[in-house]
Amino acid sequence: DSGVTQTPKHLITATGQRVTLRCSPRSGDLSVYWYQQSLDQGLQFLIQYYNGEERAKGNILERFSAQQFPDLHSELNLSSLELGDSALYFCASSVDGVELFFGSGTQLSVL
Amino acid sequence: GEDVEQSLFLSVREGDSSVINCTYTDSSSTYLYWYKQEPGAGLQLLTYIFSNMDMKQDQRLTVLLNKKDKHLSLRIADTQTGDSAIYFCAESRSDYKLSFGAGTTVTVRA
Repeated sequence: DSGVTQTPKHLITATGQRVTLRCSPRSGDLSVYWYQQSLDQGLQFLIQYYNGEERAKGNILERFSAQQFPDLHSELNLSSLELGDSALYFCASSVDGVELFFGSGTQLSVL
Repeated sequence: GEDVEQSLFLSVREGDSSVINCTYTDSSSTYLYWYKQEPGAGLQLLTYIFSNMDMKQDQRLTVLLNKKDKHLSLRIADTQTGDSAIYFCAESRSDYKLSFGAGTTVTVRA
C-alpha cells in the first residue's frame, strides 16, 4: 500500500458528462501529480500541484482541470467527456519531488 | 513516452536472472526510475538512481546506468513468479516531471 488513496476505483459514464476524481496524498506529502494511462498514449503527465498551487502542466486538455485543497487532497475534473478519455487515471504524491508514490488509480470508462 | 524506450516483452525462467533495458534521450535527466505494475494495481516504485551514479543494488535488484549511452537496465536476480508484471522505466528532469517508457511485460515461466 503506497499510502495514496484514490476514489472511486471505477467510473462508468456517458459522453458529454462531467466527472470528478479524488486523490488523498500520503500524510505529509505536499506535492500531488496526476497521470493518465491509456493503451495508445501510455503514461502521460497531466498536472502537478504543490501545497495548493499549480506547479507544472503537461499534456492536459482544456476540458480537464484540477485543484489541490487546503487539506492537500486533490481533485481532477474531466468535462465534456469523449470516448477517447477512457483511461486509467493515477494520482501520485511526493514529499521531495524525487520519490513519487502512486495510488491504485481510477479506471474511467466513457460509453 | 517517446523519450524513453523499452522492449515490450521479456520471458524468463523461474530462478534465472531477468534484465530489462531502457534508453532515454534527455542528458539532463536527474533521476531514473523503475516502477512495477501488477494487473489491476497501481505503479509501485521499485528503485531509482541518481544520474551521477553508475550502479545501485537493492536486495535482488541491480540498476546499471550508462550515462554516456543513455542506457539504463534493471536486473532481477532469482526471478520468481511474483515478479511477473509490467516494468516501467522513467526519467525525471529539473522540473521533476516523470517521463515513462511504454513498459516491458515480464512473464516468468516455471
